[in-house]
Amino acid sequence: SQTIHQWPATLVQPVGSPLSLECTVEGTSNPNLYWYRQAAGRGLQLLFYSVGIGQISSEVPQNLSASRPQDRQFILSSKKLLLSDSGFYLCAWDQRGPGNTIYFGEGSWLTVV
Amino acid sequence: SQQGEEDPQALSIQEGENATMNCSYKTSINNLQWYRQNSGRGLVHLILIRSNEREKHSGRLRVTLDTSKKSSSLLITASRAADTASYFCATDPGDSGGSNYKLTFGKGTLLTVNP
Repeated sequence: SQTIHQWPATLVQPVGSPLSLECTVEGTSNPNLYWYRQAAGRGLQLLFYSVGIGQISSEVPQNLSASRPQDRQFILSSKKLLLSDSGFYLCAWDQRGPGNTIYFGEGSWLTVV
Repeated sequence: SQQGEEDPQALSIQEGENATMNCSYKTSINNLQWYRQNSGRGLVHLILIRSNEREKHSGRLRVTLDTSKKSSSLLITASRAADTASYFCATDPGDSGGSNYKLTFGKGTLLTVNP
């Protein structure tokens, strides 16, 4: 069966510090991978998605970047965090094809202080 | 732009009662999906209904889709305290070339089921 792991679960970082959130998927190959951000009481905002190794698409301009160094690994990064980067970050995957279910990780709570 | 909009924003019911949540959207869709999120956790897929379907069932869940009104409803029958969560609808326009990158989520309905 497929599983998705996302870490760390929570972190508190000072403004200006770097960020690295990691996500790995097991039990599948060539998945589409996604990073979402969820602000309190809001829906999900897609930040990045990837359809293959090294292929990253950004949906919104921001202080963050993403990388996909391996087929089932997706990393969300920042060189210098801003207060506005605080939020709940969710990694997700799905299998190629129309109308497939998207599966989410457990999320990472980021507080920038 | 926000595609799916859930209504109500919050719903509080007693155990055993039915809970109905609605979702409205603005543009044409290929499918509509409902997700559940427990507080502080990831989202879990509940059910997907395609644009050519009108109703789907899964256990205690019943989803309807009215493409003429651009709306969907999620009915949870005989609710339990464990159903307490936020419920999101997500719309897929279907022209994203085999991915979900155009999947747009609403802001959710917070359902509280009191024991």
